[in-house]
Amino acid sequence: DAGVTQSPTHLIKTRGQHVTLRCSPISGHKSVSWYQQVLGQGPQFIFQYYEKEERGRGNFPDRFSARQFPNYSSELNVNALLLGDSALYLCASTGPSAYEQYFGPGTRLTVT
Amino acid sequence: EDQVTQSPEALRLQEGESSSLNCSYTVSGLRGLFWYRQDPGKGPEFLFTLYSAGEEKEKERLKATLTKKESFLHITAPKPEDSATYLCAVQDYGGSQGNLIFGKGTKLSVKP
Repeated sequence: DAGVTQSPTHLIKTRGQHVTLRCSPISGHKSVSWYQQVLGQGPQFIFQYYEKEERGRGNFPDRFSARQFPNYSSELNVNALLLGDSALYLCASTGPSAYEQYFGPGTRLTVT
Repeated sequence: EDQVTQSPEALRLQEGESSSLNCSYTVSGLRGLFWYRQDPGKGPEFLFTLYSAGEEKEKERLKATLTKKESFLHITAPKPEDSATYLCAVQDYGGSQGNLIFGKGTKLSVKP
């Protein structure tokens, strides 16, 4: 079985640009969560989507947005990139009958 | 405010030298406590979920336990391949189901 997949693997952007990160959950999972992990820290919650609706939002500015599609895949968008947005962006999916979140390999974003 | 504190920040062990990692937490209502393993540049790998005080779970050389204020990850006779960062996270009943609150992790190095 395929796990959570994310694309791209690595990305280099310039300050002020926009970026879109993509995630496909485990087959049968309808919930997707996004996290930001900066070096040396634990992941920090950004968004949760379930059945295409936003179910939770962390303490991130409005430059961050997300959406979920009918096939349960998801996109994370970040506008007006800042140097501080450089991080590993993680996507996790959750099945219908448990609370465990299974993470993808992440997208490494570098903002220069 | 929900908080998760892990100690020590880093731990160096000789192969076969057993030890424990600590995760202390503060939440208004614990829905679940989660342990993950993370290798450098990769996404966290799910290990265990604990739901109530007194619960224990085992997987190979790892054993996780839970009290009302903390959790321990016991590593018995570790091998070099156990080297990784171990993350602890909690989920609060008051938060969205997708919102895991992580500690900073314990970086474990096991020397042969």
